[in-house]
Amino acid sequence: EAEVAQSPRYKITEKSQAVAFWCDPISGHATLYWYRQILGQGPELLVQFQDESVVDDSQLPKDRFSAERLKGVDSTLKIQPAELGDSAMYLCASNRVGNEQFFGPGTRLTVL
Amino acid sequence: AQSVTQLDSQVPVFEEAPVELRCNYSSSVSVYLFWYVQYPNQGLQLLLKYLSGSTLVKGINGFEAEFNKSQTSFHLRKPSVHISDTAEYFCAVSDQTLEGGKLIFGQGTELSVKP
Repeated sequence: EAEVAQSPRYKITEKSQAVAFWCDPISGHATLYWYRQILGQGPELLVQFQDESVVDDSQLPKDRFSAERLKGVDSTLKIQPAELGDSAMYLCASNRVGNEQFFGPGTRLTVL
Repeated sequence: AQSVTQLDSQVPVFEEAPVELRCNYSSSVSVYLFWYVQYPNQGLQLLLKYLSGSTLVKGINGFEAEFNKSQTSFHLRKPSVHISDTAEYFCAVSDQTLEGGKLIFGQGTELSVKP
């Protein structure tokens, strides 16, 4: 069964460093989402792509976060510089038709 | 804009007992409704979804949910829980767009099943 792939699974970094997360959606899924889940809370959307175009990045802190999906397939989310408050689980999801989103295993970021 | 309220942050229950996890939503447009489960340090897995049709929806692992439009609720139920059901459960909504809309999640309910 096809799955959304994410790497790394865990990342520990020091504040002010740069970090990057990678997501490979299920083949054929045009829509890709990045969510941030702070411990004890539900996920919140950071950015949504339709193919290579950004559909919604209203909640993305653009002074330090960037996201790209250059060829409309895999995607990278970057944080530079990381801050203590960025410690969270970063989840990638994808879908094709309708609204059933499939989630990857996530990247657990710890900023020291 | 939509919002989701999960009325219980923690639900302890004994094995083989029934359980209900409550979810209310608010929206000015028609929505799709979902329940996801999350095990520690893992992603989210879809339990069930309501898109249209019958208001009683059956999902995986013996879970079911009932959509109540008048009460704007989508409560999750299971008649007999197992230890393995211990996890975090999230209710979510999205607006009805063909392209696929972002999910708005509740704060989650931690289900703890005790022997």
